[in-house]
Amino acid sequence: DARVTQTPRHKVTEMGQEVTMRCQPILGHNTVFWYRQTMMQGLELLAYFRNRAPLDDSGMPKDRFSAEMPDATLATLKIQPSEPRDSAVYFCASGGQGSTDTQYFGPGTRLTVL
Amino acid sequence: AQSVTQLGSHVSVSEGALVLLRCNYSSSVPPYLFWYVQYPNQGLQLLLKYTSAATLVKGINGFEAEFKKSETSFHLTKPSAHMSDAAEYFCAVTQSGNTPLVFGKGTRLSVIA
Repeated sequence: DARVTQTPRHKVTEMGQEVTMRCQPILGHNTVFWYRQTMMQGLELLAYFRNRAPLDDSGMPKDRFSAEMPDATLATLKIQPSEPRDSAVYFCASGGQGSTDTQYFGPGTRLTVL
Repeated sequence: AQSVTQLGSHVSVSEGALVLLRCNYSSSVPPYLFWYVQYPNQGLQLLLKYTSAATLVKGINGFEAEFKKSETSFHLTKPSAHMSDAAEYFCAVTQSGNTPLVFGKGTRLSVIA
């Protein structure tokens, strides 16, 4: 049963610390998305990649967020320095390159910045 | 630009009653539409999707949705609610299956015994 995995599942940190979240997409999927879920904003896109190349990162605060795909099996989202307003659930999703393909979501990383 | 409006942030139904969750979309291109369900502390699970084929789409767990272009709607229904259906439901729109989803705010479904 192929699925998207995310680590860590929970992260509590103090303001100013660096946070790294990792995602392993489903094998063979070439598109990876990062979404953030908050009570106020709901689910919103942060960035996405196809074939490891970033296509859109306009949803990310550029001064503190960065997203990369070091290889086809790993996507990372980093926040440095973290702020309390970054507290949210961060979801990774992966999908194929077909126009009718489905995005499959990981379980999320719940981040709390104190 | 694309957007989704889900009417009703919270819907409560009795067990065995009809479930109707409303979704209206706005899109300048032919849309692909999705319904996802989220159980507490879990990720999003696909219920069903419309990708320009049949307008009546059947999904998992007895749910279905009908794409109505004239009404720009994609409402989710289930004939008989079960306690296990209690969750948050999200409608989403995109222009292609492999482009970012634009989500509605979600509807929390409660099922009363």
